[in-house]
Amino acid sequence: ETGVTQSPTHLIKTRGQQVTLRCSSQSGHNTVSWYQQALGQGPQFIFQYYREEENGRGNFPPRFSGLQFPNYSSELNVNALELDDSALYLCASSPRQGTGELFFGEGSRLTVL
Amino acid sequence: GNSVTQMEGPVTLSEEAFLTINCTYTATGYPSLFWYVQYPGEGLQLLLKATKADDKGSNKGFEATYRKETTSFHLEKGSVQVSDSAVYFCAPDSTSGTYKYIFGTGTRLKVLA
Repeated sequence: ETGVTQSPTHLIKTRGQQVTLRCSSQSGHNTVSWYQQALGQGPQFIFQYYREEENGRGNFPPRFSGLQFPNYSSELNVNALELDDSALYLCASSPRQGTGELFFGEGSRLTVL
Repeated sequence: GNSVTQMEGPVTLSEEAFLTINCTYTATGYPSLFWYVQYPGEGLQLLLKATKADDKGSNKGFEATYRKETTSFHLEKGSVQVSDSAVYFCAPDSTSGTYKYIFGTGTRLKVLA
């Protein structure tokens, strides 16, 4: 059983650029959630996708957007990057009816200069 | 909105010492409660969980009891090992079963041999 995989693992962008992060969910998981983890902080919920639609959003501006594909994989897009967007971005998958456990990938570390 | 307050770290203990990491939360309704652990260089993984009042979650010698009256979910271990060195996150589900977690800031534990 393949776990949650994310790409790229590290990337560097400059302020104002755009970035796309990718996530493949664990086999059989149809719900994908994205979290932002700033250095020394806990993960903050960005949004969740189920059946290719956004299913809840945290306190993040519209320049954070996402997609989910028919194979349940997902993308996180961030436009007009700001310095404060530098963080570890975590993807987590889960089955719709499950035990409540989130299965996390190892994250994509974004540095904005 | 829902929130969680977690004991600040870092916590430094000698091997075989007793560990307590405090966690309290505010929530509407009765969330499921989770502890996640992040080992150095790895993604988050579930340590234990409890889904209703007075439930005790346990795993790898760690325990936590869902205390509805004090809205707490403190993590304990009777005898820590060097391999327990990691960052520990308390996380209530914002509404039970939605997989939209609210993470604490994390408590870094360092265990010395």
